[in-house]
Amino acid sequence: DVVMTQSPLSLPVTLGQPASISCRSSQSLRYSDGNTYLNWFHQRPGQSPRRLIYKVSNRDSGVPDRFSGSGSGTDFTLKISRVEAEDVGMFYCMQGTHWPYTFGQGTQLEI
Amino acid sequence: EVQLVQSGGGLVLPGGSLRLSCAASGFTVSSDWMHWVRQAPGKGLLWISRINTDGSTYYSDSVKGRFTISRDNAKNTLYLQMNSLRDEDTAVYYCARDFHFSIDSWGQGALVTVSS
Repeated sequence: DVVMTQSPLSLPVTLGQPASISCRSSQSLRYSDGNTYLNWFHQRPGQSPRRLIYKVSNRDSGVPDRFSGSGSGTDFTLKISRVEAEDVGMFYCMQGTHWPYTFGQGTQLEI
Repeated sequence: EVQLVQSGGGLVLPGGSLRLSCAASGFTVSSDWMHWVRQAPGKGLLWISRINTDGSTYYSDSVKGRFTISRDNAKNTLYLQMNSLRDEDTAVYYCARDFHFSIDSWGQGALVTVSS
């Protein structure tokens, strides 16, 4: 299985400041169709995960533009340009290129 | 609007059985791959099962032979039958819809507690 490694696991931030989370995969996530199926999810305490980003850099409908995704191959990054109080919780990367889908360990964002 | 509404969690004895349900609206469960993902207390997300549009099924090694994923097209509902439950199966279980090698919708989750 593809191992997804996130860092940091805990991210203390200040409101209004930027934040960045890294996600590395044990194999390239570029699929034979040319796409890279790397996703980012946010999970608030007591809630279901919500997808923020798909295919590395595509924001889901309703996701604020302060969230952005980048990367290629095995190295990916989620950036928050200005952290807001509602961003607290866990962030997970997930790869859909190789079967089975696998998730990173999660990054706890704390304000 | 895509919605997944889960039911069926609860407390069960080790070795017991439980069935989770996931009623879908806004789309047809038979037209998309569907998954079950679980999250043990304080832990991360772990994929455990998938059913394809053609009905073929897949399981993680941790649940293979004990859990069965299925769907009822008439009821537009996904199921997870869990048998021979163990303490380590204690988790919140999420049903989820697959869209183009991603998960774009999640149920609200169902807590399954395996304990004597």
